[in-house]
Parts: sequence; structure tokens; C-alpha cells
Amino acid sequence: ETGVTQTPRHLVMGMTNKKSLKCEQHLGHNAMYWYKQSAKKPLELMFVYSLEERVENNSVPSRFSPECPNSSHLFLHLHTLQPEDSALYLCASSQDVTGVDEQYFGPGTRLTVT
Amino acid sequence: GQNIDQPTEMTATEGAIVQINCTYQTSGFNGLFWYQQHAGEAPTFLSYNVLDGLEEKGRFSSFLSRSKGYSYLLLKELQMKDSASYLCAALDSNYQLIWGAGTKLIIKP
Repeated sequence: ETGVTQTPRHLVMGMTNKKSLKCEQHLGHNAMYWYKQSAKKPLELMFVYSLEERVENNSVPSRFSPECPNSSHLFLHLHTLQPEDSALYLCASSQDVTGVDEQYFGPGTRLTVT
Repeated sequence: GQNIDQPTEMTATEGAIVQINCTYQTSGFNGLFWYQQHAGEAPTFLSYNVLDGLEEKGRFSSFLSRSKGYSYLLLKELQMKDSASYLCAALDSNYQLIWGAGTKLIIKP
């Protein structure tokens, strides 16, 4: 595998379910990101990790819980979601969190909350 | 507040040239990115400008004017595969990326 991979690619869940999204980067990068992408809206940065430490949390509801066990893996744990949380969830990585490095994105998980 | 403006949708003809504009208002500025995103796929990096002027990379060029808070992406010799969304993102003084909503480019034969 190369680049950034995400599983699952599609997920349908009820509001009472608990699920997790997984992201893995094979680029040796130090920074990883979770974004939410809704139709016709800008990318929303949710969480940023640098060397497994969370450095950014943009007022994301607690029903989203990130986990970064090592610099190659990132998870987003989901529980008691709302229908408005339906969106494309993108994971990205970059060499560092300085911001000037290009970000490499995974293909995303299309989440539908019913 | 911080804001990025870019057109929602543009249409162009195969073989032609198209310019996608982006204006930004940020607290400080540390550069501007363009990404391409095909439907159902990951965004991919196209360019990064931090100095004024035009940077050319094959059929794609990106321009920046810091004094005007303005950038554009120029696509030449358009091909059908260029049909995609183009995302503009500015880096603010805290090195946070402020993203635009993207411009959907439709290429017609």
C-alpha cells in the first residue's frame, strides 16, 4: 500500500451505533489530520496530530473521538451521531504540522447517519 | 473573520484555457495552496505560492498577488480529465489552512 488509505470507504450507521474510521499513512509523515467535507462547503479541520500528540481540536462535538496510537495510524471513533454528521470524512498527512507542507489525502469515508 | 471566495462552478471547452479565481481574507498570510479533487476521490496537491507572481507547472499555472489578496489557477489545453473540483486554501499567521468551498470545473467536448 502506498500513500494514505482509509477504511471503510462507505459507512451507514444509526444514531445509536458506535463505529470507528481508520486511516493509515505509508509516507513516514509526522502529522495527521481529520477533515469533514460536506457538499458545497469548505473543508472543516477537525483534529490535528503531530507525532501522536493532538495539537488541534476545532471545537468538535464529543461524539467524535480521535485516537492516534502511532505516527502511521489515526482513528476516528463515532458514537450517537446526528443526521447532520453525514459527510465525507477525509484523513490527510504531511511531513510536519508547520502548514507549509503539502497534505496527502486519503480517499475518504462516505458516512451516512440514519 | 477569515474567508476564501471562489466561484462555485465553471464550464469550459476541451482544448481551451480557463482561469479559476480565488480571493482570500486571512489574519496574516503564509502562502496559498491549490488542490484538485476528482469526484469521489482524494484532493491532490497542485501548487503552493507564497511570493507574488506566476508559477508554471506544465499545463497548470498559479498566480498570487499578496497586496490584492488574490490568486488564480490557470489551466491550458484543457482535457476531459481536468473535470474536477479545484480547492483554494490560504495559510494564515498561525499556519492554519483556511479552505474555500471549491470550484467545480466542467469540461465539455
